[in-house]
Amino acid sequence: GEDVEQSLFLSVREGDSSVINCTYTDSSSTYLYWYKQEPGAGLQLLTYIFSNMDMKQDQRLTVLLNKKDKHLSLRIADTQTGDSAIYFCAEKGAGTALIFGKGTTLSVSS
Amino acid sequence: ETGVTQSPTHLIKTRGQQVTLRCSSQSGHNTVSWYQQALGQGPQFIFQYYREEENGRGNFPPRFSGLQFPNYSSELNVNALELDDSALYLCASSLFGESDTQYFGPGTRLTVL
Repeated sequence: GEDVEQSLFLSVREGDSSVINCTYTDSSSTYLYWYKQEPGAGLQLLTYIFSNMDMKQDQRLTVLLNKKDKHLSLRIADTQTGDSAIYFCAEKGAGTALIFGKGTTLSVSS
Repeated sequence: ETGVTQSPTHLIKTRGQQVTLRCSSQSGHNTVSWYQQALGQGPQFIFQYYREEENGRGNFPPRFSGLQFPNYSSELNVNALELDDSALYLCASSLFGESDTQYFGPGTRLTVL
């Protein structure tokens, strides 16, 4: 079955790097996504990676994909207080649905 | 470029009532997906509409139904509301295809009393 697991909480200091991890179970997943949700708001697409890629970099964001271990990570360089939010990992398998994890709450202290 | 919009922002209903939520897709998109996000959880897929027809459905009962209109906007209807239907309802639009990258609206917060 499809399931996405994330650690629930991460706390970092401003200026440090943050690494948010995710594991998924559907080996047929074609695309994997990272979304950001601020309190009371919808989901903002941060980045995504196609399953035949190992890494994708987009400004301060780096996505690493280990397809063998079904492990996805999001690294945020030079983390700022404005990065405090809930981060969701999502996979898209053969169907139309995105399957989301429960989200990782990132807390950035100054 | 106009993003995804949803209305209303907040809604309070009582158990047994019916509710209609609305979504306008991002310009250039032809597919709308609906998700339910309970407090402290990730979004759960309800269904997707493409070419005005349901194109995939999650594990939700038939009292959750939808429509898509020729301009690609969409409605989510929920009949016989239950307390557990209280959640943030998110609409996402996309361009139908392999990547189908979904862009979300701000959501409608539904409270059922």
